[in-house]
Amino acid sequence: QKEVEQDPGPLSVPEGAIVSLNCTYSNSAFQYFMWYRQYSRKGPELLMYTYSSGNKEDGRFTAQVDKSSKYISLFIRDSQPSDSATYLCAPTTGNQFYFGTGTSLTVIP
Amino acid sequence: GAVVSQHPSWVICKSGTSVKIECRSLDFQATTMFWYRQFPKQSLMLMATSNEGSKATYEQGVEKDKFLINHASLTLSTLTVTSAHPEDSSFYICSASDRRGTDTQYFGPGTRLTVL
Repeated sequence: QKEVEQDPGPLSVPEGAIVSLNCTYSNSAFQYFMWYRQYSRKGPELLMYTYSSGNKEDGRFTAQVDKSSKYISLFIRDSQPSDSATYLCAPTTGNQFYFGTGTSLTVIP
Repeated sequence: GAVVSQHPSWVICKSGTSVKIECRSLDFQATTMFWYRQFPKQSLMLMATSNEGSKATYEQGVEKDKFLINHASLTLSTLTVTSAHPEDSSFYICSASDRRGTDTQYFGPGTRLTVL
């Protein structure tokens, strides 16, 4: 079983839509849950992260962790064409990262 | 803050040559640096982890004699691909954290290597 499972998409939505990106994981030792955004031919950039269960909001982005079901989500409200990128979830124990395969998102104007 | 740079951003070389990629933390001291490889449409694959002043720890399946990593200072790590072959063509990305075993990594922009 993979440490992290992420639907690779691709996901295509109209501008203004609410986007939900999800990952499941198997290791209960994960403590931090990171989301990275990667534009084509660029390095990933840290978007936001949460510690343990709960929600964290940053502008149009909300990260959510449910440790009981080992499910992590990233919601994007009022999606914009500039949000078109690959989004990678990366839970971590603090010493080691495990990256999802990434979900490719396209926001259509 | 927390800017990581890589040089070069793009390199093309002949098969059999060696290529060195630099990763620098510009505004913080990176006690730990990570090297990843990414093939098209695939996720990042961790190659090795290096702590300043000590030998790198390589992931299973990564040849340490082929991918030489040197983390000589708190702001610089280098990855040398020795005797590169076309199958080594990939996108190489480094990241850095400012504490050992930290929760956050800051990624460099990546280096695209093409081996002819």
